[in-house]
Amino acid sequence: DAKTTQPPSMDCAEGRAANLPCNHSTISGNEYVYWYRQIHSQGPQYIIHGLKNNETNEMASLIITEDRKSSTLILPHATLRDTAVYYCIVRPVLRGQNFVFGPGTRLSVLP
Amino acid sequence: KAGVTQTPRYLIKTRGQQVTLSCSPISGHRSVSWYQQTPGQGLQFLFEYFSETQRNKGNFPGRFSGRQFSNSRSEMNVSTLELGDSALYLCASSFTGTGETQYFGPGTRLLVL
Repeated sequence: DAKTTQPPSMDCAEGRAANLPCNHSTISGNEYVYWYRQIHSQGPQYIIHGLKNNETNEMASLIITEDRKSSTLILPHATLRDTAVYYCIVRPVLRGQNFVFGPGTRLSVLP
Repeated sequence: KAGVTQTPRYLIKTRGQQVTLSCSPISGHRSVSWYQQTPGQGLQFLFEYFSETQRNKGNFPGRFSGRQFSNSRSEMNVSTLELGDSALYLCASSFTGTGETQYFGPGTRLLVL
């Protein structure tokens, strides 16, 4: 599976957009980009995923570069409750369910 | 629709004991995966079950085992507990386990003394 690189930590002011980058330069054509987040000691929460096109849902937007080597998760109006560890994962479309989690980015939303 | 549920939520055991953790997937989901999360190693895949069969396995010793029942509920067992088994054990489910989103439960926090 392709590896991902994320900054270990980021800060964001409450009410501003949080832009979390992820590098996945070895991604292959049949691998999705998934984002999860984990609020302290809870189970990871699914946020969004995409293959090639940008995606948006009620939680966030996912922007994938044209070459698919990197992506950005955007939380449009960050709140204190968005403080969490955010995981970017690339995963083959047709494989078993073993997501490989890296250390993620610890996002702190500041008042 | 109810989410993934795990029982118990907290557990304290002593070294050498064994423990069984339970996971009920989202209704209709047939794939259940288990993960271990520790501060040192992060989130690591244990195994995945689909239709009562183990389909994938991570790099854990044989003391870690699991099973899945016909209603897709799953249990994992850890025998001869060691201090290093103290962790948050997470269960995740999806429909078939192939190319789909996994949804995680709240986890069982195990403390081994």
